[in-house]
Amino acid sequence: AQSVTQLGSHVSVSEGALVLLRCNYSSSVPPYLFWYVQYPNQGLQLLLKYTSAATLVKGINGFEAEFKKSETSFHLTKPSAHMSDAAEYFCAVSVGGGGADGLTFGKGTHLIIQP
Amino acid sequence: EPEVTQTPSHQVTQMGQEVILRCVPISNHLYFYWYRQILGQKVEFLVSFYNNEISEKSEIFDDQFSVERPDGSNFTLKIRSTKLEDSAMYFCAGGTGLFNEQFFGPGTRLTVL
Repeated sequence: AQSVTQLGSHVSVSEGALVLLRCNYSSSVPPYLFWYVQYPNQGLQLLLKYTSAATLVKGINGFEAEFKKSETSFHLTKPSAHMSDAAEYFCAVSVGGGGADGLTFGKGTHLIIQP
Repeated sequence: EPEVTQTPSHQVTQMGQEVILRCVPISNHLYFYWYRQILGQKVEFLVSFYNNEISEKSEIFDDQFSVERPDGSNFTLKIRSTKLEDSAMYFCAGGTGLFNEQFFGPGTRLTVL
């Protein structure tokens, strides 16, 4: 069975600083990987996805993530944090690409932006 | 841009009562899902639905849960006899099946008293 570990339940950065949110996965087969963002009292919005086409994936709002098979990681980064980035971020994995499988989520990382 | 919608946004019910949570997926989606998120915990998969039948379900999705898509648009989750521990945010999601990419609705907060 697959699993996702997100290191750090809370991450605090200053506005303008680099954002790095860590995600490690466990899967016996090549995975599909996703990052979702959840703003307060809202649903989950897809930030970006890895589907094996390219290891460096660019998403919305200036975020990107790099798939590293050797490290089983899919860390999310953004060069310069903005106050509007404050939210909960979830990494998720799927080992099936056909649509029937549910996503397995990590516990989430709460990103705090200091002015 | 089309979005997944869910109603109601908040449902309060008494323990033992039946509740139905409703979702209107994006029209070109073929796969539909329900997830739940207990306060402070991770998002958990409940069930996937395709071609008018359940494709996959988790251990959480026991006999008190059921899903259906009765009219080809609404996708519903029914909880027959609610328990206190069913209190959670319930998310509907949908996708075309490509890469298992899933788009989520805003959620229904269920409170069981």
